[in-house]
Amino acid sequence: KQEVTQIPAALSVPEGENLVLNCSFTDSAIYNLQWFRQDPGKGLTSLLLIQSSQREQTSGRLNASLDKSSGRSTLYIAASQPGDSATYLCAVRQTTSGTYKYIFGTGTRLKVLA
Amino acid sequence: DAGVTQSPTHLIKTRGQQVTLRCSPISGHKSVSWYQQVLGQGPQFIFQYYEKEERGRGNFPDRFSARQFPNYSSELNVNALLLGDSALYLCASSRVGGDAGTEAFFGQGTRLTVV
Repeated sequence: KQEVTQIPAALSVPEGENLVLNCSFTDSAIYNLQWFRQDPGKGLTSLLLIQSSQREQTSGRLNASLDKSSGRSTLYIAASQPGDSATYLCAVRQTTSGTYKYIFGTGTRLKVLA
Repeated sequence: DAGVTQSPTHLIKTRGQQVTLRCSPISGHKSVSWYQQVLGQGPQFIFQYYEKEERGRGNFPDRFSARQFPNYSSELNVNALLLGDSALYLCASSRVGGDAGTEAFFGQGTRLTVV
């Protein structure tokens, strides 16, 4: 059974710092991994998708890496800003008997202090 | 293009009642999935529908049911509501199922409170 873990659960940093969020998963048979952002009480905004055959993806100040063999992904945020404050969720996409579903971690709550 | 739209945004129901939540996927997307997110947790998979057929369900009781219409919109129904059903219900839309490049797009969710 796939389990996704995110460390740390919460993080508070001063503005301008570079930071790394970690995600680990127990089963390497995944289609892809997506990083999402969630603001309080809101839905999920897709940040980056890494296909299982890829090693990393970049979008602006965000860079996500994937090491499928070790079951790890990291989300790197450069030059953090107060607007980056949110919960960050990673999710792996798997199939079981023809069902395609995402399995999520519990998230990292990020607060960037001005 | 409009994103994934869900209605209503908020809902308050009494224990024992029934509720219907609605989702319209992104135009051209034929797969709709439903997730339940309890406060402080990651979303949990409830159902996937593709081409109007149920393709899978998560570990949820039979009180939860769903369907997908010819225009690919979907409804999630929950009967005999319990306090523990209070959660944010998220709908996800995607193009197809088996492509590693398939990206899921989520709606803003329906916040259900059972009192």
